[in-house]
Amino acid sequence: DIQMTQSPSSLSASVGDRVTITCRASQRMSSFLNWYQQKPGKAPKLLIYAASNLQSGVPSRFSGSGSGTDFTLTISSLQPEDFATYYCQQSYRTPYTFGQGTKLEI
Amino acid sequence: QVQLVQSGAEVKKPGASVKVSCKASGYIFNNYYMVWVRQAPGQGLEWMGKVNPTGDNKVYAQKVQGRVTMTTDASTSTVYMELSSLRYDDTAVYYCARVGVVGTNDYFDFWGQGTLVTVSS
Repeated sequence: DIQMTQSPSSLSASVGDRVTITCRASQRMSSFLNWYQQKPGKAPKLLIYAASNLQSGVPSRFSGSGSGTDFTLTISSLQPEDFATYYCQQSYRTPYTFGQGTKLEI
Repeated sequence: QVQLVQSGAEVKKPGASVKVSCKASGYIFNNYYMVWVRQAPGQGLEWMGKVNPTGDNKVYAQKVQGRVTMTTDASTSTVYMELSSLRYDDTAVYYCARVGVVGTNDYFDFWGQGTLVTVSS
C-alpha cells in the first residue's frame, strides 16, 4: 500500500497567516493527490483534486502543488472558518490511502 | 444539487452484520462510481472500497475483503455497504462519497452525512 505522511500533525496559527501543509507519498504517483477539509462532526469536503485543481466553490486562498512524492496545500490568508483538520489522499493505486491528518488550530 | 443521504445510526453486537444505504440524487446515478470511507472515533479516514453504478465492478480494501459487500440499486439510485462478522474495531462513522474523475485520478467530490455504526455487546 502507498503510505501518505502529512506534516505537521498539528499546527497553531492565527487569522491572516499563510499556512502550508505537506504530504509525502511512499512512492512516486504523478499528480494523483487530493486534499480534503474536515470539521468536527461533519463529512470531509473536497478542496483540491489532481494536486493543483481547485474544486468548484472553494475559495481561491486554497492552493495545491507538487507531483511525484511531495505535495503541499497552502492557505494564503487564514480565515476563522479554515480551522479544521486537513487530509491528503492518493488515488494512484488502490487501496486509496489518506494521510493521518493535520489539525489546524488557533 | 447533488445529495447523498445515508441511513441512520446502528448498534450491533459483535459477529453481527450491518447494512448501510446511501441514496443519491441530483445527478445521473449511472455516470459515477461510489466509494465507502470510514472513520473510527478520533481517528483518520480509511478507504474501504469502490463500486460502479451497475454493481458489477468492485474493488475492496484488503483489510475488509471477505467481510464487506457493496451493491447498487440503479432503480432507486441507492448504494449499499454491508459489513459482516462485526468486531469492536469496526465501530466508526461510515461515509459514502461520489467519485469524480479527471483523467484517471479519482477524487471524492460529494459525501453523505455519515452513519455511525457502534459495535457493542
